[in-house]
Amino acid sequence: GAGVSQTPSNKVTEKGKYVELRCDPISGHTALYWYRQSLGQGPEFLIYFQGTGAADDSGLPNDRFFAVRPEGSVSTLKIQRTERGDSAVYLCASSLIGGPPFNEQFFGPGTRLTVL
Amino acid sequence: KNEVEQSPQNLTAQEGEFITINCSYSVGISALHWLQQHPGGGIVSLFMLSSGKKKHGRLIATINIQEKHSSLHITASHPRDSAVYICAVGETSGSRLTFGEGTQLTVNP
Repeated sequence: GAGVSQTPSNKVTEKGKYVELRCDPISGHTALYWYRQSLGQGPEFLIYFQGTGAADDSGLPNDRFFAVRPEGSVSTLKIQRTERGDSAVYLCASSLIGGPPFNEQFFGPGTRLTVL
Repeated sequence: KNEVEQSPQNLTAQEGEFITINCSYSVGISALHWLQQHPGGGIVSLFMLSSGKKKHGRLIATINIQEKHSSLHITASHPRDSAVYICAVGETSGSRLTFGEGTQLTVNP
């Protein structure tokens, strides 16, 4: 009965480096979401997967950000050429189905990314 | 203007007080969520509602679709209720959640 898990819990990197953040959704959940939360702010949507495909990637801030979910379960968020402004907590959530009518989203603990 | 606005931003209460946090939104929604976030970042879903009222223990959530407004109430507040409470809406036109900025609640013993 595991919930959503994310690894690593903390990641410190240098400006310009490449990072990968991993999300393991709840087994059987077809919808997976990535959000980013800056300090003192509410989370902001990045991308939504329904199964293996990105159904909505309009929240990705630029082409340095990319996410995959090749087998419809685990997802990886990839950030190239990291910048200090990318520092935030990256949250993953999953739900049984996606789209209206809305299903409850279950959140992972987040990955705190710090770009020095 | 944000699509989802919460008030107050910060709230300090004494143990036992009745607490209300408000959320207003400007878009058509399929559901509204109330979430709780403790220090360290973990987010827990408290309620998902599209009409009326839901109650879970000391927590009550209400929504008025016509007025585009929701409230989260905590009865007999306790220091362990101290957390950030976030309102989020699921828009009718898509699948994403749009979040408010959160309300930092501190309940003092």
